[in-house]
Amino acid sequence: RKEVEQDPGPFNVPEGATVAFNCTYSNSASQSFFWYRQDCRKEPKLLMSVYSSGNEDGRFTAQLNRASQYISLLIRDSKLSDSATYLCVVNRLNTGNQFYFGTGTSLTVIP
Amino acid sequence: DVKVTQSSRYLVKRTGEKVFLECVQDMDHENMFWYRQDPGLGLRLIYFSYDVKMKEKGDIPEGYSVSREKKERFSLILESASTNQTSMYLCASSLLTGGFYNEQFFGPGTRLTVL
Repeated sequence: RKEVEQDPGPFNVPEGATVAFNCTYSNSASQSFFWYRQDCRKEPKLLMSVYSSGNEDGRFTAQLNRASQYISLLIRDSKLSDSATYLCVVNRLNTGNQFYFGTGTSLTVIP
Repeated sequence: DVKVTQSSRYLVKRTGEKVFLECVQDMDHENMFWYRQDPGLGLRLIYFSYDVKMKEKGDIPEGYSVSREKKERFSLILESASTNQTSMYLCASSLLTGGFYNEQFFGPGTRLTVL
């Protein structure tokens, strides 16, 4: 079983739509959680960390459900510039501090 | 701004050649990582290092070695390049605070083609 699983999409949504991505992780010892954004032919960049209480940054909301071992990302009022691949990332200390990446979910926002 | 730089954006090598990929970070991070990224497989960890001269194998270390002689520099070495090592190689660095990792900062990547 993969450490981190995401629906690869693609998600094609109109401007202004709300879109949600989910991600599941297999190891309950995972301790840190992140969403990264990767534009075509570019390196991944941190979008937001995910905290147990949930957190919001403008149009982006991230939530963590430890009991069900999943992480979500909600994007409200989608913009054309949100088109990218979104990577779910988890980290745990008992494997030498490795980060585990999902394969990414592709989002295209259509005018 | 944290900056992670990689020695080449594009590299073409022949089968059997020894290949060096260099990564330098300027934020005094203890931890550095080498990944490869392939379509449908995502990022896979090759090696990481949490201190100078220290290294740990990741998920796919076979065919690779690494060197960390200075804190800011982490090198990936392909001893004898093969066509299945054609990929995008990404270097990253991270700070450890209070036992937990902060975000990873990535370099721009090196697209390696082995002919």
